[in-house]
Amino acid sequence: QQQVKQSPQSLIVQKGGISIINCAYENTAFDYFPWYQQFPGKGPALLIAIRPDVSEKKEGRFTISFNKSAKQFSLHIMDSQPGDSATYFCAASRGGNGGATNKLIFGTGTLLAVQP
Amino acid sequence: DSGVTQTPKHLITATGQRVTLRCSPRSGDLSVYWYQQSLDQGLQFLIHYYNGEERAKGNILERFSAQQFPDLHSELNLSSLELGDSALYFCASSPTGNVNTEAFFGQGTRLTVV
Repeated sequence: QQQVKQSPQSLIVQKGGISIINCAYENTAFDYFPWYQQFPGKGPALLIAIRPDVSEKKEGRFTISFNKSAKQFSLHIMDSQPGDSATYFCAASRGGNGGATNKLIFGTGTLLAVQP
Repeated sequence: DSGVTQTPKHLITATGQRVTLRCSPRSGDLSVYWYQQSLDQGLQFLIHYYNGEERAKGNILERFSAQQFPDLHSELNLSSLELGDSALYFCASSPTGNVNTEAFFGQGTRLTVV
């Protein structure tokens, strides 16, 4: 119940195209869904996050779509650029100040390559 | 630069040895999280400390332990090392104990056990 399943494992997109990465979760108690971006040799960095009271959140070229009933959420990168080439991780957590179930659970990551 | 400092950046050690990884959180952040990143397992949560107290444990082996000191820096101790412990170890910090806030990651320590 604590898993977050992410797909695809890798993705190749042409410059200017749309990149779509999908995640699914099981635990309906999760109430925070961030996406992290990781470049080689660096730690992950928060890209965008959503809470389940909204179905979509957009920040620049990055959009999270959230489907509570299907327990799925996805990251859309519009007008993908070579500089977007990185590994993307979805994650989910249940809010609170620590405790056995208050953990940020990460998906397995998607390696995105945007070809010029 | 996230403001989180991890040392050392690289560590090569032999099986059976013990190592200590160090993390200095961003100024003012009270929470420190430790994660293990391997090719086949992705980012696995190990442990969370908030203001010196352990708050949550993940898939942390008994051979591993951590602590957070009064100055809020944290150390992850790995003992009786095995080849399978080779991985990137990240720490992350956040201002509060609530996991539903942005976590700022360091650049990681790459541990190689030979």
